[in-house]
Amino acid sequence: KQEVTQIPAALSVPEGENLVLNCSFTDSAIYNLQWFRQDPGKGLTSLLLIQSSQREQTSGRLNASLDKSSGRSTLYIAASQPGDSATYLCAVWTGANSKLTFGKGITLSVRP
Amino acid sequence: NAGVTQTPKFQVLKTGQSMTLQCAQDMNHEYMSWYRQDPGMGLRLIHYSVGAGITDQGEVPNGYNVSRSTTEDFPLRLLSAAPSQTSVYFCASTRLGDYGYTFGSGTRLTVV
Repeated sequence: KQEVTQIPAALSVPEGENLVLNCSFTDSAIYNLQWFRQDPGKGLTSLLLIQSSQREQTSGRLNASLDKSSGRSTLYIAASQPGDSATYLCAVWTGANSKLTFGKGITLSVRP
Repeated sequence: NAGVTQTPKFQVLKTGQSMTLQCAQDMNHEYMSWYRQDPGMGLRLIHYSVGAGITDQGEVPNGYNVSRSTTEDFPLRLLSAAPSQTSVYFCASTRLGDYGYTFGSGTRLTVV
């Protein structure tokens, strides 16, 4: 059974710091891994999608890496801003007829 | 705008009432699914569908029914609402293959 872990559950940093959010998964036979952002009371916004054949993806200040063999992904946020405050969820998909398995998320607070 | 549309956004039900949560997507995605999100439990899969006429159960299907008569629509029916079904419900869709998921904005359901 696939399990996805995100530690710590919460993180508070001052503005301007570079951040690394970690995600680990138990079954390396994944098709892709997706990072989402969720603001309080809102839906999930996709940030980055990494295919199983890829090592990393970048979008603006965000960079996500994937190491399938070790079952790990990291989301790097450069020069954090208060507007980055949200919950960040990673999820893995192991293919058709199977579910998207989520971690419980990391709640990030960036202090001005 | 292309995406996943959920209605209603908020709903209060009395125990024993039934209702249908609506989900529609206009991206011609084959795969659609329903998740519920509860504090401390993360996102859990209720039901999913890989195409019109095909549905299957996820982790927590009890008390819910689904059908998929068209590619675009995937309604979730609560047969007899219980307080344990108080949650935020998300519908999601994707194309089969190495594509990311798109989520709706959610329905916040309270059962009293």
